[in-house]
Amino acid sequence: SAVISQKPSRDICQRGTSLTIQCQVDSQVTMMFWYRQQPGQSLTLIATANQGSEATYESGFVIDKFPISRPNLTFSTLTVSNMSPEDSSIYLCSVPKNTEAFFGQGTRLTVV
Amino acid sequence: QKEVEQNSGPLSVPEGAIASLNCTYSDRVSQSFFWYRQYSGKSPELIMSIYSNGDKEDGRFTAQLNKASQYVSLLIRDSQPSDSATYLCAVRGGTSYGKLTFGQGTILTVHP
Repeated sequence: SAVISQKPSRDICQRGTSLTIQCQVDSQVTMMFWYRQQPGQSLTLIATANQGSEATYESGFVIDKFPISRPNLTFSTLTVSNMSPEDSSIYLCSVPKNTEAFFGQGTRLTVV
Repeated sequence: QKEVEQNSGPLSVPEGAIASLNCTYSDRVSQSFFWYRQYSGKSPELIMSIYSNGDKEDGRFTAQLNKASQYVSLLIRDSQPSDSATYLCAVRGGTSYGKLTFGQGTILTVHP
């Protein structure tokens, strides 16, 4: 498996502010993925973070709301911008290794 | 129709019994299939991957895949209370490296 460090593990934020989540992997990977898990729901892919190019966003997610950086092959950030209570979720980064996919420990975000 | 659909839960089984979790998918070109276990407040943990038709066994877990029926299942033998968790079925399409589509999850409770 891959060792994936994600931080912060949790945060409580005021509406209208932004939070940047970091994801660090112990080996170089071409793609990193960001998922959202809303309360009581399954995982939904937000975007694919590619090194050296812009992230690819899934339907319903836009760059202005969820800007992503991918400065190198072991690191990525996801920013949740202009937060509202509806953004309260767990945010997870994921990396493929061989044919499988592994997850960071997640960031539990509460917007008040 | 949802892309990945799991049998409705929650599922409750007595300790020592076999727990059967089912999943169907809509994309016929899907190539890779995964089962994740997620404890409350934790991130998903990969427990089984399967790529070809038939059965794959790992300890108390058996994954079964039938591509013609677009069906994948997970059997947990000798269920233990520590198996109580949400089980997520995930599917990777034929052209999407690393990107997963998740089912809604099945909550399993194993009671002593």
